[in-house]
Amino acid sequence: DSGVTQTPKHLITATGQRVTLRCSPRSGDLSVYWYQQSLDQGLQFLIQYYNGEERAKGNILERFSAQQFPDLHSELNLSSLELGDSALYFCASSPNKGDTQYFGPGTRLTVL
Amino acid sequence: GENVEQHPSTLSVQEGDSAVIKCTYSDSASNYFPWYKQELGKRPQLIIDIRSNVGEKKDQRIAVTLNKTAKHFSLHITETQPEDSAVYFCAARETSYDKVIFGPGTSLSVIP
Repeated sequence: DSGVTQTPKHLITATGQRVTLRCSPRSGDLSVYWYQQSLDQGLQFLIQYYNGEERAKGNILERFSAQQFPDLHSELNLSSLELGDSALYFCASSPNKGDTQYFGPGTRLTVL
Repeated sequence: GENVEQHPSTLSVQEGDSAVIKCTYSDSASNYFPWYKQELGKRPQLIIDIRSNVGEKKDQRIAVTLNKTAKHFSLHITETQPEDSAVYFCAARETSYDKVIFGPGTSLSVIP
């Protein structure tokens, strides 16, 4: 157990819908990262937050947005969902910027 | 930005043999190189990491070497066991934005 929690574990929804994925970092970690992993694919970096502020952006679609709250938990919002958005979404946290990242268990999103 | 390549994409070895996975990176300023192991359906877990001021690091059956001049680093697993079967990801940290860029992964199968 890495200490990073993610909810929900599984999410099944329909195309066009909007979902919110939640991540709680390890106690004391200030950075949160979001990754997308499609079937048999690698880890695609989406976005990083550090102490409430956006720090770095990857290949995140405009339909996706995220934020980190004052208590340091983070939410990833996915809207206008498409079949291709079906994937495992991982959150990771680290103590500062660019430190060793510890991954949560992931949220498996299925878009039907 | 940083680009990480990883070879081979799949690797099969007999139990007890050694396995070597190689990665190259493009940004000469990158200074942190973690390796993650991901079992099917599970979270990526850090197994070893190396910083740019070190050429080699060992942890029991796992070792990582770094050649900064050639911009490549390798993972060595000795005396492989069936439980080593997993997907292994190398990564490099971009110093400019503290993003960690992952390689595409290597699927390792250890045959009993």
